[in-house]
Amino acid sequence: IQMTQSPSALSASVGDSVTITCRASQNINRYLNWYQQKPGKAPKLLINGAFSLQSGVPSRFSGSGSETEFTLTISSLHPEDFATYFCQQSYSSPPTFGLGTKVDIK
Amino acid sequence: QVQLQESGPGLVKPSQTLSLTCTVSGGALNSGDYYWSWVRQPPGKALEWIGYIYYSGSTYYNPSLKSRVIISVDTSNNRFSLKLSSVTAADTAAYYCARVDGASQLSFDSWGQGTLVTVSS
Repeated sequence: IQMTQSPSALSASVGDSVTITCRASQNINRYLNWYQQKPGKAPKLLINGAFSLQSGVPSRFSGSGSETEFTLTISSLHPEDFATYFCQQSYSSPPTFGLGTKVDIK
Repeated sequence: QVQLQESGPGLVKPSQTLSLTCTVSGGALNSGDYYWSWVRQPPGKALEWIGYIYYSGSTYYNPSLKSRVIISVDTSNNRFSLKLSSVTAADTAAYYCARVDGASQLSFDSWGQGTLVTVSS
């Protein structure tokens, strides 16, 4: 299953709301996970099952969607949110990842 | 909180075997709900799942790599390993080990920092 993210990069300011889209090449129900990765650091799981926020992840992060289209929204960017975000489907094997969306400072 | 750390050579010659180990601390490999995985990311490309292993030794591999991959587990030392044979330049990537939560939609909930492996003579 191919995962396509858009945009590949975006520039935003602290306090902005941003939305990242992930599209699956076939119906994956809600088997969609979102990760954050900062340079030189391990990826961090933010959301699993399309909308379930992991413990400790700020509530400004939210996920939605089902079947083939999903979104990750950051409601008010904090300085520590500038990073790369990628989606991953776990509906069928092999699990596959999107190419990522880099969020940087405008 | 579980932590994972990859170790192994950063440079491998073409046609040789890439070998990496992931040492797990803060949690036991034989925790029943988890699988233990390798994922790689070639420069500028998407993350690619290599395979998982369960503590019992059951393995699941990406079909695209299956003929060249062996993942093994050493529960007594709380670590698991990756061997990728017949490497080429296309295998140059950052390699990550990760824990996969089998009870939570197979999400990769903990990751190592990653190690860059370059295939070059």
